[in-house]
This record gives sequence, C-alpha cells and structure tokens, in this order.
Amino acid sequence: LAKTTQPISMDSYEGQEVNITCSHNNIATNDYITWYQQFPSQGPRFIIQGYKTKVTNEVASLFIPADRKSSTLSLPRVSLSDTAVYYCLVGPRGMDSNYQLIWGAGTKLIIKP
Amino acid sequence: KAGVTQTPRYLIKTRGQQVTLSCSPISGHRSVSWYQQTPGQGLQFLFEYFSETQRNKGNFPGRFSGRQFSNSRSEMNVSTLELGDSALYLCASSFTQSSYEQYFGPGTRLTVT
Repeated sequence: LAKTTQPISMDSYEGQEVNITCSHNNIATNDYITWYQQFPSQGPRFIIQGYKTKVTNEVASLFIPADRKSSTLSLPRVSLSDTAVYYCLVGPRGMDSNYQLIWGAGTKLIIKP
Repeated sequence: KAGVTQTPRYLIKTRGQQVTLSCSPISGHRSVSWYQQTPGQGLQFLFEYFSETQRNKGNFPGRFSGRQFSNSRSEMNVSTLELGDSALYLCASSFTQSSYEQYFGPGTRLTVT
C-alpha cells in the first residue's frame, strides 16, 4: 500500500480557499486517492475520491497531476466549521481481500475568523 | 437513508471485564469494518466483515473479535479489558468489500478503569 505524507497542521481564514497536499510517491497503477474529514469525537466523513486529473463535488475538488505522485484537496471559501482533521488515503478500489485502510496522522486544519 | 448507528455511545468498564459493541450499517451495505482510535495511535483497523465472514484483520490481539449477522449488522467483542483499550471504537460500512469509500458511525467511547 502506498504511504502518504501530509502536513501535520495548517491555518487559514474564513472565506479563503484552502489547499491541502498529500504526497504518495509509490502509488500503484490501480490505486485511488481518497480524502476524509474528521471532527473531534466523530467518525471520519468521506469527502472525495479520484484517480487522475480533477474531480469536483459539492464539497471539494481533488487535483491529481499526471504522474499521480501527489494530490491536492481544495476547499473553496472555508468557514469555521471546516476546522477538522483531513486524511489522505491511497489504495486499490474493489475486491481485494488483502487490503486494510491505513490512516496516517492527517492534517489538522484550523480556520480562524 | 439512515446512517450508520452504533450502540452504546458511551461505556465505562472495569479491567478484566468484557464488552460487546454493536453496529448497524447503512441499508444495503454488506461490509462492516471496525476501527480503534486513540490520541496516541490514531485510527487503527481492527477487522472487516463482508457477507458474515471476516475478510481482513488488523494487528490486534485475539481478545478483539467480531461477527456479522445475516442482516449485515455487526458486533465487536473485547474480552479481558485492559486500561489501554480505552478508546473511541468506530464502525464503518460500505457497499462493497475492501472499499475506500466508507461511511462511519458516531463511535462508541469506551473507558476502562
């Protein structure tokens, strides 16, 4: 399974666009990139998943360059409620009986007023 | 559609006792995974059940066990509780096995005294 590296923490202000980058240098051909958000004392929440180029949903955008060795989660116009820990995970999608989700420390994002 | 539910939400037990936690997945989801989250170790995978069979197992001692019923509901059991078992136990469901798109419940906060 590809190991991921994210910044430990980031600060930003309300109304700003926030970009969190994740490095995954040894990503495999069949690996997808998935991001989760977690608030204190709650379970993580699935945000977005992608394989290449750009994926956008109502919450965020995910940018993946051609070499797929990194990815960037983009949160537009953040608010105080976006303060949370964000996790980047990389791994195969589909039936693989030998996998297990490996969670790093994530990025603690703090939004200031 | 109702989300993942976990019961109980909070639990206090004494060392040496055993505990059973319950998880009801999202309707139609056949996979249930369990995680332990502590401040020191972060999110760690315990095991995954799919169609009533354990498909994957993390690196936890045999005191941690689980099962899944025909309606996809799952239970997790911890025997001979230790102080270090104090944690937030999270259950996540997904439509397919070994999916990176998982939906988490609110968790059960277990305190061992």
